[in-house]
Formats: sequence, C-alpha cells, structure tokens
Amino acid sequence: DTAVSQTPKYLVTQMGNDKSIKCEQNLGHDTMYWYKQDSKKFLKIMFSYNNKELIINETVPNRFSPKSPDKAHLNLHINSLELGDSAVYFCASSLRGESEQYFGPGTRLTVT
Amino acid sequence: SQQGEEDPQALSIQEGENATMNCSYKTSINNLQWYRQNSGRGLVHLILIRSNEREKHSGRLRVTLDTSKKSSSLLITASRAADTASYFCATDSGSARQLTFGSGTQLTVLP
Repeated sequence: DTAVSQTPKYLVTQMGNDKSIKCEQNLGHDTMYWYKQDSKKFLKIMFSYNNKELIINETVPNRFSPKSPDKAHLNLHINSLELGDSAVYFCASSLRGESEQYFGPGTRLTVT
Repeated sequence: SQQGEEDPQALSIQEGENATMNCSYKTSINNLQWYRQNSGRGLVHLILIRSNEREKHSGRLRVTLDTSKKSSSLLITASRAADTASYFCATDSGSARQLTFGSGTQLTVLP
C-alpha cells in the first residue's frame, strides 16, 4: 500500500556509467517531481511533470533525462555519471491545484 | 535558488520541552509548508499555512506566518523522542506549484 515508491533504494556505480531510478505513485496524482538532496540536506527540485508533460526543468545537466510513460510513473535516467552526482534523489507527487507533496523514500546514489 | 533559511540549524532539547524552529524567505508566497524528514527516509508533510493566515494548529504543532517579515515559525509542544528528525520549511510561490525548500533544522529530542 506504499504511496510513492522508488527503486532502487541504494545505487553504487562507477563514473561514466548510465543508470536509471524508477518512481511510481498509486495516489492518483497527476503531477510528479524529482528532487536532489545533497550531503548538507539541501533539497533542490530538478524536474516536474504534469500529466506526462514537463512543466519544470531547473538547471540540470543534459545527462539527466526524466521519462514519464504514464501519470503514475516518472523515471530518471542519468548518463555518464560523475562524482558530483552522488546524492539522495527523491521522487514526489501531488494533485494538480494542491500544493502538498508526497515523497518517496529516496534513492541514495553513490558514484565512485 | 534557495528560498528559505532556517534557524537554528540544529536544536537539542529534553523530552517534554517545546521546540521552536524559524524560517525566513525572500519572495511573496501562496503558502508555506513544513515537512519532517526522519533519518534515511523521505519527507512527510506536516502542515500548510496560506499567505492570508497568521496562525495554524495541528495536534502538537503550531505554525505562525508573518508575511510582512517574510518569516514563519514551527512550534512543537511537549516534544517526544520520536520527534527527532530534520524539519524543513517550503514555500509555494508560483502557479507551477513548485516548492522551494529551506536548509532545514535538525531537531534532537533527548529521552
């Protein structure tokens, strides 16, 4: 009965590799987000999708590409991973017109 | 860019005491929200206060908002060890419902 789920929870990989993080929500929400939380716990929005359409794209390198196959899923693909990509990535969702967001448990990415 | 600055960065209190955290922001807002993050977990929404509200209560939580000073405070009364977590304020400033998070306050409640 998990509301917002992410896989994997932990991801350890080497520089230069390509990896994906998956997110699914079963709340019936139509807006989904990706956030990056750095080692100082600063949380910054990366992308926002509404009904599978990109509505927010903050200054994020082109190596990061979100993909939304349907309203319930928003996956994050990262090419050519760099050391600085190491962080915790959170997926979140909300209902259009509502401000409150529901967060997934996070994916801790470590690039070595 | 970072919208909210939180104060203090860290707070340690005894169980049963009250905890107060403050948040300052820079631009006009639609609403301000507080979230809790337990260690290794995702953020959980606690309370939302709209720009035309000055105070709101939810259980042991009390939030105030002063739009003239662009600041908010979160008061947790009768704290418990389970309240130990990081607390973030987040502002909703635009039509895209984009939230901008503060830097967070790490609260430790000692049993």
